[in-house]
Amino acid sequence: SQQGEEDPQALSIQEGENATMNCSYKTSINNLQWYRQNSGRGLVHLILIRSNEREKHSGRLRVTLDTSKKSSSLLITASRAADTASYFCATDMGNTPLVFGKGTRLSVIA
Amino acid sequence: EAQVTQNPRYLITVTGKKLTVTCSQNMNHEYMSWYRQDPGLGLRQIYYSMNVEVTDKGDVPEGYKVSRKEKRNFPLILESPSPNQTSLYFCASSFSLAGGPWGANVLTFGAGSRLTVL
Repeated sequence: SQQGEEDPQALSIQEGENATMNCSYKTSINNLQWYRQNSGRGLVHLILIRSNEREKHSGRLRVTLDTSKKSSSLLITASRAADTASYFCATDMGNTPLVFGKGTRLSVIA
Repeated sequence: EAQVTQNPRYLITVTGKKLTVTCSQNMNHEYMSWYRQDPGLGLRQIYYSMNVEVTDKGDVPEGYKVSRKEKRNFPLILESPSPNQTSLYFCASSFSLAGGPWGANVLTFGAGSRLTVL
């Protein structure tokens, strides 16, 4: 059951530029999480935003959540080559397992 | 170091030869889960476990079995592997669906097991 859908599927930017990726979902959530996956490796949790929050920051990451539009965005500022990875949103509806989207592949070109 | 350990990391096998992918976590997590990742399909959940002796089917359980006899271990068993089970498999764990420091299901993933069935 695919709940979250990331957009775009792939994104290529120059080092130093900002990268924005979006996630849309279908049903009410308790929180939404973003994970990063370096090529072929395990996912790593980046940030969590709760349904009553509108914006969260963590270092160069900024996440927004609009529950009325059922959407979230992840902004990575001043991108570096090391940010090259796939980024997944995961929706948490409470007492059920997380549901992951298909991910956005980000390439940061030095 | 807090981690989820999967073995083997890489495996090539033949159709019908039973295999087990082990998963172990050292964080005293109650919740554990298996996912498979295929190009264009994202992560799909195979099975999950809320605690010892409690397991539930995910979205794609056909052809797989699991057991949770101890809190730290959650092996994935392919009784009779087929080529459509060729995939990248991930084990993940968390305190619980709503527990731990986050009060939410924040997952720690293993490094992955790449399985090829010929």
